[in-house]
Amino acid sequence: DADVTQTPRNRITKTGKRIMLECSQTKGHDRMYWYRQDPGLGLRLIYYSFDVKDINKGEISDGYSVSRQAQAKFSLSLESAIPNQTALYFCATSHPGVNEQFFGPGTRLTVL
Amino acid sequence: GENVEQHPSTLSVQEGDSAVIKCTYSDSASNYFPWYKQELGKRPQLIIDIRSNVGEKKDQRIAVTLNKTAKHFSLHITETQPEDSAVYFCAASIWGNTPLVFGKGTRLSVIA
Repeated sequence: DADVTQTPRNRITKTGKRIMLECSQTKGHDRMYWYRQDPGLGLRLIYYSFDVKDINKGEISDGYSVSRQAQAKFSLSLESAIPNQTALYFCATSHPGVNEQFFGPGTRLTVL
Repeated sequence: GENVEQHPSTLSVQEGDSAVIKCTYSDSASNYFPWYKQELGKRPQLIIDIRSNVGEKKDQRIAVTLNKTAKHFSLHITETQPEDSAVYFCAASIWGNTPLVFGKGTRLSVIA
């Protein structure tokens, strides 16, 4: 089945380290998103991309960067991780004509 | 930009009772309102959505109502079952143009 996958699924790192979270999809969707989930704060949008050449900041982009390497791949980087970036990170995809977003399984990131 | 408020943050009901979760949005241009369900340790998944050209939509035990004038929409779950226990998120967007903006979520517990 077509799916959205994320690697790694869990990561523990130290303050100041550079971290990359990767997202791949076999759904053939043009649109991809990165969200952060914190308890009580819901799903907050970090960055989104409507096609390979398009990158847009979301609500909480500070401290993050992204790269859209291909239609199927969208990576999120933390250049210098800090403890308050400890969270569950979700990648999602959607088709332009259908607003439903399909989420990946999530990456749990802990910054010590 | 869009702001979505969701209430309550937690909700406990007896099995068989109904549950109602309410959301308000700020951008009158928003015209797409989905609801996502996230079971413990799982990814969010779409359970029902509504577009602004209708006032109500039903799918078996779940229904969503929309009041465009008041800018609020609600999720109704009837005859609740233990498997309905999850976190529910509402969201809003302009169909095809903007990413989803999510509410902060409601943790629903159905007590057997």
